[in-house]
Amino acid sequence: AQSVAQPEDQVNVAEGNPLTVKCTYSVSGNPYLFWYVQYPNRGLQFLLKYITGDNLVKGSYGFEAEFNKSQTSFHLKKPSALVSDSALYFCAVRGSNDYKLSFGAGTTVTVRA
Amino acid sequence: DAGVIQSPRHEVTEMGQEVTLRCKPISGHNSLFWYRQTMMRGLELLIYFNNNVPIDDSGMPEDRFSAKMPNASFSTLKIQPSEPRDSAVYFCASSPLGQGYGYTFGSGTRLTVV
Repeated sequence: AQSVAQPEDQVNVAEGNPLTVKCTYSVSGNPYLFWYVQYPNRGLQFLLKYITGDNLVKGSYGFEAEFNKSQTSFHLKKPSALVSDSALYFCAVRGSNDYKLSFGAGTTVTVRA
Repeated sequence: DAGVIQSPRHEVTEMGQEVTLRCKPISGHNSLFWYRQTMMRGLELLIYFNNNVPIDDSGMPEDRFSAKMPNASFSTLKIQPSEPRDSAVYFCASSPLGQGYGYTFGSGTRLTVV
Protein backbone atom coordinates (compact mmCIF):
# COMPACT_ATOMS: atom_id res chain seq x y z
CA ALA A 1 0.00 0.00 0.00
CA GLN A 2 1.16 3.52 -0.66
CA SER A 3 0.66 6.51 1.59
CA VAL A 4 1.68 10.10 2.15
CA ALA A 5 2.10 12.01 5.39
CA GLN A 6 2.09 15.76 5.70
CA PRO A 7 2.96 16.23 9.36
CA GLU A 8 1.95 19.88 9.58
CA ASP A 9 -1.66 20.99 9.21
CA GLN A 10 -0.55 24.61 9.00
CA VAL A 11 2.60 26.53 8.19
CA ASN A 12 2.86 30.24 8.89
CA VAL A 13 5.70 32.38 7.56
CA ALA A 14 6.43 36.03 7.00
CA GLU A 15 6.68 37.33 3.47
CA GLY A 16 10.23 37.16 2.21
CA ASN A 17 11.18 34.28 4.50
CA PRO A 18 11.89 30.75 3.29
CA LEU A 19 8.93 28.41 3.09
CA THR A 20 9.10 24.65 3.64
CA VAL A 21 6.19 22.22 3.49
CA LYS A 22 7.05 18.73 4.63
CA CYS A 23 6.06 15.43 3.04
CA THR A 24 7.06 11.84 3.67
CA TYR A 25 5.86 8.83 1.75
CA SER A 26 5.63 5.07 1.75
CA VAL A 27 5.47 3.12 -1.49
CA SER A 28 6.53 -0.14 -3.11
CA GLY A 29 9.17 0.23 -5.76
CA ASN A 30 10.26 3.53 -7.20
CA PRO A 31 8.16 6.51 -6.16
CA TYR A 32 6.60 9.05 -8.47
CA LEU A 33 6.07 12.19 -6.37
CA PHE A 34 3.95 15.26 -6.96
CA TRP A 35 3.02 18.56 -5.36
CA TYR A 36 -0.26 20.34 -5.96
CA VAL A 37 -1.60 23.68 -4.77
CA GLN A 38 -5.23 24.61 -4.18
CA TYR A 39 -6.37 28.20 -3.95
CA PRO A 40 -9.78 28.98 -2.40
CA ASN A 41 -12.72 27.81 -4.49
CA ARG A 42 -10.43 26.31 -7.11
CA GLY A 43 -9.31 22.86 -8.17
CA LEU A 44 -5.88 21.45 -7.44
CA GLN A 45 -3.12 22.77 -9.67
CA PHE A 46 0.06 20.88 -10.51
CA LEU A 47 3.26 22.44 -9.14
CA LEU A 48 6.02 19.95 -9.80
CA LYS A 49 6.93 16.28 -9.90
CA TYR A 50 9.82 13.91 -9.36
CA ILE A 51 10.07 10.91 -11.64
CA THR A 52 13.78 10.21 -11.91
CA GLY A 53 17.05 12.05 -12.24
CA ASP A 54 18.17 15.05 -10.17
CA ASN A 55 16.92 15.00 -6.62
CA LEU A 56 16.16 18.72 -6.75
CA VAL A 57 13.13 19.45 -8.86
CA LYS A 58 12.08 22.94 -9.91
CA GLY A 59 8.46 23.80 -10.60
CA SER A 60 5.99 26.60 -11.06
CA TYR A 61 5.92 29.93 -9.20
CA GLY A 62 9.48 29.56 -7.89
CA PHE A 63 8.82 26.37 -5.95
CA GLU A 64 11.23 23.48 -5.75
CA ALA A 65 11.27 20.15 -3.97
CA GLU A 66 14.02 17.82 -2.90
CA PHE A 67 13.69 14.08 -3.16
CA ASN A 68 15.47 12.22 -0.38
CA LYS A 69 15.31 8.48 -0.85
CA SER A 70 16.92 7.51 2.45
CA GLN A 71 14.49 9.65 4.41
CA THR A 72 11.56 8.90 2.07
CA SER A 73 10.82 12.60 1.93
CA PHE A 74 9.86 15.11 -0.72
CA HIS A 75 9.72 18.50 0.97
CA LEU A 76 8.45 21.53 -0.93
CA LYS A 77 10.47 24.72 -0.64
CA LYS A 78 10.47 28.30 -1.74
CA PRO A 79 13.40 30.60 -0.89
CA SER A 80 11.28 33.74 -0.45
CA ALA A 81 7.56 33.38 0.21
CA LEU A 82 4.92 35.75 -1.11
CA VAL A 83 1.53 36.59 0.36
CA SER A 84 0.03 35.13 -2.82
CA ASP A 85 1.55 31.74 -1.91
CA SER A 86 -1.07 31.39 0.82
CA ALA A 87 -3.01 28.28 -0.15
CA LEU A 88 -3.54 24.59 0.59
CA TYR A 89 -0.71 22.33 -0.55
CA PHE A 90 -0.97 18.61 -1.25
CA CYS A 91 1.78 16.07 -1.64
CA ALA A 92 0.99 12.91 -3.64
CA VAL A 93 2.74 9.65 -4.47
CA ARG A 94 2.26 6.85 -6.95
CA GLY A 95 4.14 3.58 -6.84
CA SER A 96 5.50 1.79 -9.86
CA ASN A 97 2.67 -0.73 -9.69
CA ASP A 98 -0.27 1.57 -9.10
CA TYR A 99 -2.44 3.63 -11.40
CA LYS A 100 -3.70 6.02 -8.77
CA LEU A 101 -2.10 8.81 -6.79
CA SER A 102 -2.34 8.81 -3.02
CA PHE A 103 -2.70 12.31 -1.58
CA GLY A 104 -1.67 13.65 1.79
CA ALA A 105 -4.13 15.47 4.02
CA GLY A 106 -2.84 18.84 2.91
CA THR A 107 -0.98 21.70 4.59
CA THR A 108 -2.44 25.18 4.80
CA VAL A 109 0.22 27.80 4.19
CA THR A 110 -0.33 31.33 5.39
CA VAL A 111 2.16 34.01 4.41
CA ARG A 112 1.74 37.23 6.37
CA ALA A 113 2.75 40.59 4.98
CA ASP B 1 -6.80 22.84 -24.43
CA ALA B 2 -9.74 23.76 -22.21
CA GLY B 3 -8.66 21.45 -19.44
CA VAL B 4 -11.00 19.21 -17.48
CA ILE B 5 -14.49 20.63 -17.64
CA GLN B 6 -17.02 20.03 -14.90
CA SER B 7 -20.64 21.06 -14.73
CA PRO B 8 -22.46 22.49 -12.99
CA ARG B 9 -20.11 24.65 -10.90
CA HIS B 10 -22.69 24.91 -8.14
CA GLU B 11 -25.68 22.75 -7.35
CA VAL B 12 -28.23 23.25 -4.60
CA THR B 13 -30.82 20.55 -4.22
CA GLU B 14 -33.29 19.24 -1.72
CA MET B 15 -32.76 16.07 0.22
CA GLY B 16 -34.08 13.07 -1.66
CA GLN B 17 -33.54 14.52 -5.11
CA GLU B 18 -31.31 12.99 -7.74
CA VAL B 19 -28.12 14.85 -8.54
CA THR B 20 -25.94 14.32 -11.61
CA LEU B 21 -22.46 15.78 -11.90
CA ARG B 22 -20.71 15.86 -15.24
CA CYS B 23 -17.12 15.75 -16.38
CA LYS B 24 -15.33 16.09 -19.69
CA PRO B 25 -11.71 14.94 -19.42
CA ILE B 26 -8.82 16.21 -21.47
CA SER B 27 -8.78 14.65 -24.90
CA GLY B 28 -6.29 11.78 -25.03
CA HIS B 29 -6.28 11.17 -21.29
CA ASN B 30 -7.11 7.54 -20.60
CA SER B 31 -7.68 7.74 -16.85
CA LEU B 32 -10.46 9.60 -15.07
CA PHE B 33 -10.92 10.08 -11.35
CA TRP B 34 -13.76 11.37 -9.16
CA TYR B 35 -12.86 12.93 -5.81
CA ARG B 36 -14.87 14.43 -2.99
CA GLN B 37 -13.46 17.14 -0.73
CA THR B 38 -14.84 18.17 2.65
CA MET B 39 -13.35 19.97 5.61
CA MET B 40 -13.80 16.95 7.83
CA ARG B 41 -12.51 14.21 5.56
CA GLY B 42 -10.23 16.07 3.17
CA LEU B 43 -9.77 14.72 -0.36
CA GLU B 44 -11.32 11.29 -0.94
CA LEU B 45 -11.01 9.19 -4.08
CA LEU B 46 -14.44 7.86 -4.99
CA ILE B 47 -13.81 5.94 -8.21
CA TYR B 48 -11.49 5.82 -11.15
CA PHE B 49 -11.66 4.62 -14.72
CA ASN B 50 -9.01 3.47 -17.17
CA ASN B 51 -10.06 3.46 -20.81
CA ASN B 52 -13.70 3.98 -19.76
CA VAL B 53 -13.68 0.90 -17.51
CA PRO B 54 -14.17 1.31 -13.74
CA ILE B 55 -11.05 -0.01 -12.02
CA ASP B 56 -11.61 0.79 -8.38
CA ASP B 57 -14.89 1.98 -6.86
CA SER B 58 -14.04 1.10 -3.29
CA GLY B 59 -14.26 4.76 -2.33
CA MET B 60 -17.88 5.12 -3.35
CA PRO B 61 -19.56 5.70 -0.01
CA GLU B 62 -22.91 3.98 -0.58
CA ASP B 63 -25.14 2.45 -3.16
CA ARG B 64 -26.71 5.86 -3.56
CA PHE B 65 -23.60 6.84 -5.50
CA SER B 66 -22.97 5.62 -9.03
CA ALA B 67 -20.59 6.66 -11.80
CA LYS B 68 -20.46 5.96 -15.49
CA MET B 69 -18.11 6.66 -18.34
CA PRO B 70 -19.97 5.82 -21.55
CA ASN B 71 -17.16 7.12 -23.76
CA ALA B 72 -13.71 8.64 -23.55
CA SER B 73 -14.96 12.20 -23.42
CA PHE B 74 -17.68 12.06 -20.78
CA SER B 75 -18.34 10.82 -17.28
CA THR B 76 -21.12 11.27 -14.76
CA LEU B 77 -21.38 10.89 -11.01
CA LYS B 78 -24.93 10.40 -9.80
CA ILE B 79 -26.32 10.55 -6.28
CA GLN B 80 -29.81 9.17 -5.79
CA PRO B 81 -31.33 9.99 -3.37
CA SER B 82 -29.17 12.84 -2.12
CA GLU B 83 -28.68 13.57 1.58
CA PRO B 84 -27.36 16.63 3.43
CA ARG B 85 -24.16 14.76 4.34
CA ASP B 86 -23.36 14.52 0.64
CA SER B 87 -22.70 18.26 0.61
CA ALA B 88 -19.12 18.70 -0.57
CA VAL B 89 -17.00 19.80 -3.49
CA TYR B 90 -16.71 17.06 -6.10
CA PHE B 91 -13.68 17.09 -8.38
CA CYS B 92 -13.02 15.24 -11.57
CA ALA B 93 -9.44 14.70 -12.73
CA SER B 94 -7.90 13.07 -15.77
CA SER B 95 -4.50 11.75 -16.63
CA PRO B 96 -2.69 9.91 -19.39
CA LEU B 97 -1.97 6.30 -18.58
CA GLY B 98 1.41 5.76 -16.97
CA GLN B 99 2.96 6.26 -13.56
CA GLY B 100 4.94 9.32 -14.55
CA TYR B 101 1.91 11.46 -15.17
CA GLY B 102 0.10 13.63 -12.67
CA TYR B 103 -3.55 14.55 -12.74
CA THR B 104 -5.25 17.56 -14.21
CA PHE B 105 -8.17 18.61 -12.04
CA GLY B 106 -11.36 20.32 -12.99
CA SER B 107 -12.66 23.34 -11.09
CA GLY B 108 -15.09 21.21 -9.14
CA THR B 109 -18.81 21.15 -8.44
CA ARG B 110 -19.93 22.54 -5.09
CA LEU B 111 -22.93 20.48 -4.04
CA THR B 112 -25.25 21.64 -1.28
CA VAL B 113 -28.07 19.35 -0.21
CA VAL B 114 -30.65 21.05 2.00
